[in-house]
Amino acid sequence: DTEVTQTPKHLVMGMTNKKSLKCEQHMGHRAMYWYKQKAKKPPELMFVYSYEKLSINESVPSRFSPECPNSSLLNLHLHALQPEDSALYLCASSQGPSGAYNEQFFGPGTRLTVL
Amino acid sequence: GQQLNQSPQSMFIQEGEDVSMNCTSSSIFNTWLWYKQDPGEGPVLLIALYKAGELTSNGRLTAQFGITRKDSFLNISASIPSDVGIYFCAGDRGSTLGRLYFGRGTQLTVWP
Repeated sequence: DTEVTQTPKHLVMGMTNKKSLKCEQHMGHRAMYWYKQKAKKPPELMFVYSYEKLSINESVPSRFSPECPNSSLLNLHLHALQPEDSALYLCASSQGPSGAYNEQFFGPGTRLTVL
Repeated sequence: GQQLNQSPQSMFIQEGEDVSMNCTSSSIFNTWLWYKQDPGEGPVLLIALYKAGELTSNGRLTAQFGITRKDSFLNISASIPSDVGIYFCAGDRGSTLGRLYFGRGTQLTVWP
């Protein structure tokens, strides 16, 4: 299995809702990432988990809460989002967090719309 | 955060033509990666480069790791309509944290 899967594919939520995005990989990778991407822009790093520990939080607002239950799973919990949070949310994984191990493989993304 | 200087921003070419795009930085990178992204999908890794001067091919794609370690280029030969998409370069500066720095992307349009 050489892919990263993400669910759901699309999500529409109100500003008072709580929802979660899920990401899974079975490549034995030990680093996992959340990115936010706006149309025609490069991915923006949000969080990095390395060996199931949070190693980077790019000053992301607390309405986004990451969780890494085990080495194969990564969640992003969403609460009280704003319309400007609407974007494509990408999950990625790599064998490790540095050098030649940092070939990041991306999932298909979750298209999030906040009303 | 720091971004790589990727050019051109967009290209409009005819099927069969060759394409060249590049990324430059004022900083040294240990790894260069090239991705292609189709609309509504995640980026797909095309080529990874690890050594200064390295030249790597993947089918009609060829990429090089610049000798100064501050640049990389991607060539696509004999373009076809399915080459349409946004191409991103990304670099790893060798930290242990996993951060990649991305270029702004090159939007490629191929006319039949």
